[in-house]
Amino acid sequence: NAGVTQTPKFRVLKTGQSMTLLCAQDMNHEYMYWYRQDPGMGLRLIHYSVGEGTTAKGEVPDGYNVSRLKKQNFLLGLESAAPSQTSVYFCASSIGQAAYEQYFGPGTRLTVT
Amino acid sequence: RKEVEQDPGPFNVPEGATVAFNCTYSNSASQSFFWYRQDCRKEPKLLMSVYSSGNEDGRFTAQLNRASQYISLLIRDSKLSDSATYLCVVRAVEYGNKLVFGAGTILRVKS
Repeated sequence: NAGVTQTPKFRVLKTGQSMTLLCAQDMNHEYMYWYRQDPGMGLRLIHYSVGEGTTAKGEVPDGYNVSRLKKQNFLLGLESAAPSQTSVYFCASSIGQAAYEQYFGPGTRLTVT
Repeated sequence: RKEVEQDPGPFNVPEGATVAFNCTYSNSASQSFFWYRQDCRKEPKLLMSVYSSGNEDGRFTAQLNRASQYISLLIRDSKLSDSATYLCVVRAVEYGNKLVFGAGTILRVKS
């Protein structure tokens, strides 16, 4: 099993450009999450999904959109990138609610210039 | 006030030392507690859950003090491979059952 994978690993965008980050998991988990991690701050939840076809906002959803068309995939979109979105983005999945262990992908390092 | 607060460190300790980290949380309704470990430029991984009665896993001991709203992690006989950032994590119904992560405590074990 690959676990949780993320593509791309690195990306540099110019302000105003758009992109999609892809997360895939092969553990048949129902729950999937997108976080961002910035220096000196804990991981912050952007959006999450409790099952195929469902998404919900987390703590910092502004400027991001998500889709969960297939159970194994969770996409994070930036429609118009801003320098404030420079961060490391982690995807995670879990069997059930947040009480269960979350398995993280290797992260995507995004720089917006 | 941050929901989960940790001393960022870094804690610089020699091999074989015992080191302890504390973490405080602000929501008294928090229900589940965890320590995650994050190596440099890697993803977080679950180290251990924290139970009310305290729990031990090899050289690692986690304790919870609900009255004072803090969690601790004790590492005995530190190894070079213990060098990492340790993330304190809590879950509360008020957070929609989602996890809230502390910013992490950096540990550097030196030979």
